[in-house]
Amino acid sequence: GDSVTQMEGPVTLSEEAFLTINCTYTATGYPSLFWYVQYPGEGLQLLLKATKADDKGSNKGFEATYRKETTSFHLEKGSVQVSDSAVYFCALQGGAQKLVFGQGTRLTINP
Amino acid sequence: ETGVTQTPRHLVMGMTNKKSLKCEQHLGHNAMYWYKQSAKKPLELMFVYSLEERVENNSVPSRFSPECPNSSHLFLHLHTLQPEDSALYLCASSLKTGPYGTDTQYFGPGTRLTVL
Repeated sequence: GDSVTQMEGPVTLSEEAFLTINCTYTATGYPSLFWYVQYPGEGLQLLLKATKADDKGSNKGFEATYRKETTSFHLEKGSVQVSDSAVYFCALQGGAQKLVFGQGTRLTINP
Repeated sequence: ETGVTQTPRHLVMGMTNKKSLKCEQHLGHNAMYWYKQSAKKPLELMFVYSLEERVENNSVPSRFSPECPNSSHLFLHLHTLQPEDSALYLCASSLKTGPYGTDTQYFGPGTRLTVL
């Protein structure tokens, strides 16, 4: 079945560091791919998405490119801030239109 | 973000209590979802309603009973819960555009449930 694998956390960085959170997926067909973010005490917020190969999703300085050849959707940001501290979830939506989530990666940014 | 609201935000209940969680969406969507988020486990999809009809029930125990009276409201009725049911319960909604469209889900802030 469809599945998503994210890099294990927690990830701790200093402010202004470069961020990469790896995400790879297994799916039949051509899924849509998403990154959601969960700030402490809150629900999930859609961060960005891409619906076909080579699409780049971007929002709030974060980017991710849908790479079909490597089945990946890695999340990147050039310069992180303390306010980016949260849990990040990679997800895919396959043919059945169900969202399949990764296990989440906790990110902590120190000032 | 007030597109999807959930009440209450926090709930503590005993194992013999009956309570309900409420979700409301203001986005004009036609599908609604209940998820369970437990510590150190992936998000678990519990129920899906599309056009007010339940289309998915992922082997959820009968002590959880969903209700979708219209496309804007979704309830989760709880009775005789167990301590292991303590979790964050998340509601989401989406606009289903057909079998081949992307169906982006928008989440509420969740209800933190503690069962004593």
